[in-house]
Amino acid sequence: DQQVKQNSPSLSVQEGRISILNCDYTNSMFDYFLWYKKYPAEGPTFLISISSIKDKNEDGRFTVFLNKSAKHLSLHIVPSQPGDSAVYFCAASAEYGGSQGNLIFGKGTKLSVKP
Amino acid sequence: DTAVSQTPKYLVTQMGNDKSIKCEQNLGHDTMYWYKQDSKKFLKIMFSYNNKELIINETVPNRFSPKSPDKAHLNLHINSLELGDSAVYFCASTKMASGRGTQYFGPGTRLLVL
Repeated sequence: DQQVKQNSPSLSVQEGRISILNCDYTNSMFDYFLWYKKYPAEGPTFLISISSIKDKNEDGRFTVFLNKSAKHLSLHIVPSQPGDSAVYFCAASAEYGGSQGNLIFGKGTKLSVKP
Repeated sequence: DTAVSQTPKYLVTQMGNDKSIKCEQNLGHDTMYWYKQDSKKFLKIMFSYNNKELIINETVPNRFSPKSPDKAHLNLHINSLELGDSAVYFCASTKMASGRGTQYFGPGTRLLVL
């Protein structure tokens, strides 16, 4: 059972435009959400996170939005750059609820930013 | 001065063999993890370990065993390798065990079982 879902396996965006990557989750115990970025042949690297007490967190060109009632979060990248081309993983954790705070990852969305 | 390193980067072996993957972190973190990324690209946690507690994902076969000689190392031993063990294995570490701390990942070990 996929507790974290990224339904778009890929996304193509023109350089300079906005990239919007979406993530849905099913476990209402999740209270902390993260986005990781992964280049080929490398491990995932942390990008940005958000706690469930917030609905928005911004870091430079990256903004994460959380809609708890819809159990949905999104990552906005603006403006998109060719170097942003990578696989983006959404991850969630729950401090309580039996998962020991472990990260549960989505399947990833491959972003291609075209010059 | 790589933060989390894994060796080997690639591992090709025959079914039935026993192999180990090493992981080292120089971040002074207390908690380390092993993840498996299978052919469907899901990143799934296998183990989390700090100097107090080993937590095992119940779906992991007991052919897999983590060994931690010290806080900076968490090695993964795999006995009697099977075809389905072919995957990319990532080691990670974090300062906080609660899931709130950023996890730093190694570059991955690509295991192919023939």
